[in-house]
Amino acid sequence: AQSVTQLGSHVSVSEGALVLLRCNYSSSVPPYLFWYVQYPNQGLQLLLKYTSAATLVKGINGFEAEFKKSETSFHLTKPSAHMSDAAEYFCAVSQGGKLIFGQGTELSVKP
Amino acid sequence: DGGITQSPKYLFRKEGQNVTLSCEQNLNHDAMYWYRQDPGQGLRLIYYSQIVNDFQKGDIAEGYSVSREKKESFPLTVTSAQKNPTAFYLCASTPVAGEGQETQYFGPGTRLLVL
Repeated sequence: AQSVTQLGSHVSVSEGALVLLRCNYSSSVPPYLFWYVQYPNQGLQLLLKYTSAATLVKGINGFEAEFKKSETSFHLTKPSAHMSDAAEYFCAVSQGGKLIFGQGTELSVKP
Repeated sequence: DGGITQSPKYLFRKEGQNVTLSCEQNLNHDAMYWYRQDPGQGLRLIYYSQIVNDFQKGDIAEGYSVSREKKESFPLTVTSAQKNPTAFYLCASTPVAGEGQETQYFGPGTRLLVL
């Protein structure tokens, strides 16, 4: 069975600093990978997804993620954090048309 | 506007009571899903349906039931057998069933609380 691990349940950065949210997956076949964002008391919104077309995937709101097969990783980055980026972020891997989610990382942005 | 609606936003359940959470989509999507979200545990799949009149159990189906009589509707019933129902419940849909690269689109969620 596939699984997803997000390192760090809570990450705090200063406004303007680099954002790095880590995601590692286990998969015996080439995966489809997703990053979602959730604002308080709301549903999830897709940030970006990897479907094997390109290893560097650009998403909305200035986020991007790089698929590294050798490291089984799909870390999410943004060069400069904004206050509006404060939210919870979920990494997910597709398995048989279903999504397996990581535990989530809450991002705080300090002024 | 197309999208997924969930109602109610907040729901209160009394001891021994069954309650039903509504999920409706007007996106003409084939597949629909129910997830439960607890703090620090991510999202866990309760039930999913890839086609009308058919559905499958997810990882935590015990104490829950669903129906899929119409393509656009996938209600979730939390039965009295679910002893710890307090959670945030999210409904999602995807255009084509079984296609791993398809994005799942989420509703705004229902928060269920026990009185």
